[in-house]
Amino acid sequence: ILNVEQSPQSLHVQEGDSTNFTCSFPSSNFYALHWYRWETAKSPEALFVMTLNGDEKKKGRISATLNTKEGYSYLYIKGSQPEDSATYLCAFREGSNYKLTFGKGTLLTVNP
Amino acid sequence: DAGVIQSPRHEVTEMGQEVTLRCKLISGHNSLFWYRQTMMRGLELLIYFNNNVPIDDSGMPEDRFSAKMPNASFSTLKIQPSEPRDSAVYFCASSANLQGTETQYFGPGTRLLVL
Repeated sequence: ILNVEQSPQSLHVQEGDSTNFTCSFPSSNFYALHWYRWETAKSPEALFVMTLNGDEKKKGRISATLNTKEGYSYLYIKGSQPEDSATYLCAFREGSNYKLTFGKGTLLTVNP
Repeated sequence: DAGVIQSPRHEVTEMGQEVTLRCKLISGHNSLFWYRQTMMRGLELLIYFNNNVPIDDSGMPEDRFSAKMPNASFSTLKIQPSEPRDSAVYFCASSANLQGTETQYFGPGTRLLVL
């Protein structure tokens, strides 16, 4: 069973704060790391797919980095807004199969 | 373009009844994934298909669960007989293929409650 851990479990920030959270995954046999954003009562939506060590991806105020050697990825949100409130999921794919193994997510609440 | 379509959106049933969940893939997608979401275990992969063929069903909890893909665009997940511990949100997702960099597009989910 692959171990994909996300921390913290939940996070409360004020509007305008910048924040970040972590996804850790096995450092061996890495293939890809996905980030998803999941708003309450909706379905998960893809943010990024990252494959190379040192990758950095950016979409608006959200960015992510990847370290495959040590097995972690950071997601950063700059200047959080209430509409950023959601659960952020990471999902790991190892090279030997096509499954995505999801972490349990970080629940972000941005207070106005 | 329509996204992944799931039906029903909500299902309440009594223990022992058969439950059938339905999923329509995004047009042109070849891969289909069924997931179950619970508070305790998070989002778990149950089974996935590629080109209508089941590739890995090792996540299916037990024989009461079965999934089919009768054609390239449609899949069913059946629970027979259902039990209260099956209560969860069931998502299906589709992707263009099985490459690891392909995004999986999730449906809205079916919220199942077994009494």
